Amino acid sequence: SQQGEEDPQALSIQEGENATMNCSYKTSINNLQWYRQNSGRGLVHLILIRSNEREKHSGRLRVTLDTSKKSSSLLITASRAADTASYFCATDPEGNQFYFGTGTSLTVIP
Amino acid sequence: EAQVTQNPRYLITVTGKKLTVTCSQNMNHEYMSWYRQDPGLGLRQIYYSMNVEVTDKGDVPEGYKVSRKEKRNFPLILESPSPNQTSLYFCASSHTTNEKLFFGSGTQLSVL
Repeated sequence: SQQGEEDPQALSIQEGENATMNCSYKTSINNLQWYRQNSGRGLVHLILIRSNEREKHSGRLRVTLDTSKKSSSLLITASRAADTASYFCATDPEGNQFYFGTGTSLTVIP
Repeated sequence: EAQVTQNPRYLITVTGKKLTVTCSQNMNHEYMSWYRQDPGLGLRQIYYSMNVEVTDKGDVPEGYKVSRKEKRNFPLILESPSPNQTSLYFCASSHTTNEKLFFGSGTQLSVL
């Protein structure tokens, strides 16, 4: 499978702390995207980073991409209870399919 | 409002009874796809379509059919559902695979 893998599978932090989750993948990619899913609902796009980019920011989100290690990280700063959700990375190694990881379940404790 | 609309939201059926899950997008997207989500397995792609009349198998196409006769619609058809197709299904669309996906709200399917 060319599926990405998120690490850790589950993460529990206090409100105000930073949350970091990682994604590793197996083959070269065009882009890597991060999505968020609230309990059983549809996924919502957070950020897209292209293979020639190393870092990208969006509000409290910071994404890095290391194509030599085939890995990406998502940092959520100053977490809030509303950030509680599952987070998925998605890659498109062949340019016509998206491959999702199994997700990181984040719990932010108020 | 830009959206992907999936119906129904919940569906309970019996083995062998043909069903269709509809998906429609109003963003003039060329790319549409179907995923199933199972605990511990993440999202797995069933079928995708790069444009009208162009469909391709994803990772888990067995037991499913799709069609893309119009740009906005991409129905998922289960000709003879079986219990192992009990899952949460998502339709998604984007302009191209270089851009973000917009997801529907999901269809929780139970096959008894």
